[in-house]
Amino acid sequence: DAKTTQPTSMDCAEGRAANLPCNHSTISGNEYVYWYRQIHSQGPQYIIHGLKNNETNEMASLIITEDRKSSTLILPHATLRDTAVYYCIALITGWAGSYQLTFGKGTKLSVIP
Amino acid sequence: NAGVTQTPKFRILKIGQSMTLQCAQDMNHNYMYWYRQDPGMGLKLIYYSVGAGITDKGEVPNGYNVSRSTTEDFPLRLELAAPSQTSVYFCASSYSREVYEQYFGPGTRLTVT
Repeated sequence: DAKTTQPTSMDCAEGRAANLPCNHSTISGNEYVYWYRQIHSQGPQYIIHGLKNNETNEMASLIITEDRKSSTLILPHATLRDTAVYYCIALITGWAGSYQLTFGKGTKLSVIP
Repeated sequence: NAGVTQTPKFRILKIGQSMTLQCAQDMNHNYMYWYRQDPGMGLKLIYYSVGAGITDKGEVPNGYNVSRSTTEDFPLRLELAAPSQTSVYFCASSYSREVYEQYFGPGTRLTVT
């Protein structure tokens, strides 16, 4: 699995967009980019994933650069409940890939009132 | 649906004691997982199961045992507790191998002294 690099922490004002960057410069062609988050003392929660194209769901948008070396998770209107540690993971999944979610340190996002 | 449930929420063990962490899911998922998360660190996979009667080791299986006699339950057994097993333990389940479909329980916080 490719190594990912994320900033240690970020602040965002409530109601504004939160843009969380992730660098994965060694990502291979069949590795997906996954984002999870972990609110304090709770189990991790899946947010979104993508391979090449930008993706959007009810929680967030994922923008992947054309060379796939980096991506940005966007929470369009951050609320206090979005305060959490956000993890970016690059891995192969499905029948050819891994069962395992391996998190690094992630980015601690603090949403400020 | 209750989703993934774990008991107990908290436990303090003395060195050398044994205990079983309980995990149950009511989503009829075939795949179940046990992770541990040390303070300030990411997740590590201990054991996983692809169906009743089938289990396999993850990244850090030493000191643990599992069984899967039913689809619903996946208990994790610690035989001789050691301080290195102080951690938060998360159980997860999924319908398929796809990483984004893993649903996590609330966790069991274990301290070994």
